[in-house]
Amino acid sequence: EAQVTQNPRYLITVTGKKLTVTCSQNMNHEYMSWYRQDPGLGLRQIYYSMNVEVTDKGDVPEGYKVSRKEKRNFPLILESPSPNQTSLYFCASGTPRTSGRTDTQYFGPGTRLTVL
Amino acid sequence: AQSVTQLDSHVSVSEGTPVLLRCNYSSSYSPSLFWYVQHPNKGLQLLLKYTSAATLVKGINGFEAEFKKSETSFHLTKPSAHMSDAAEYFCVVSPRTGTASKLTFGTGTRLQVTL
Repeated sequence: EAQVTQNPRYLITVTGKKLTVTCSQNMNHEYMSWYRQDPGLGLRQIYYSMNVEVTDKGDVPEGYKVSRKEKRNFPLILESPSPNQTSLYFCASGTPRTSGRTDTQYFGPGTRLTVL
Repeated sequence: AQSVTQLDSHVSVSEGTPVLLRCNYSSSYSPSLFWYVQHPNKGLQLLLKYTSAATLVKGINGFEAEFKKSETSFHLTKPSAHMSDAAEYFCVVSPRTGTASKLTFGTGTRLQVTL
């Protein structure tokens, strides 16, 4: 089944304790992206990756890191989480514009993070 | 630059009556436009998309949307609401040119369907 998976689905942690949220897709997509969803703000892009070893900042990158060592995986790293990073996080994948194909993105189920 | 405005944060309809969720966009490029739906505690599912073919786009579950360039609008409609349509709906814009698939989301419209 074609899908985007995220782990963990729920996480409660404390300020300053490094954490990683994993994202994996099995559709051979070049493009992957992380978003956070907050009430009244919709989804905002954190980082995106056009392909392996190619990453760039989105609209709200502060406090986050990413890496893209393999095509299928795109982990989100919070080196020193703070309470304002409490949010619902979505990973997405798709085919990028330059391929000539559509830019439909497929979303994972979400990770609800609480930072105390 | 691009932006999306969803004109209603909350819409309530009775089951069996029409649904209208309004979306206006702004884009420096010719846009692609999408509607995504998010059911409670679920991820986002693509309802429909406009990418420069027909201006009236049909999606899943009986939804459709019409791209109106002169009005910079992409409103979502359904002739008859069903209880299962209760969810949050996001209008999304993306430039159709350029190298990055950057999506810009609206703030969402919560659809409530009552008996």
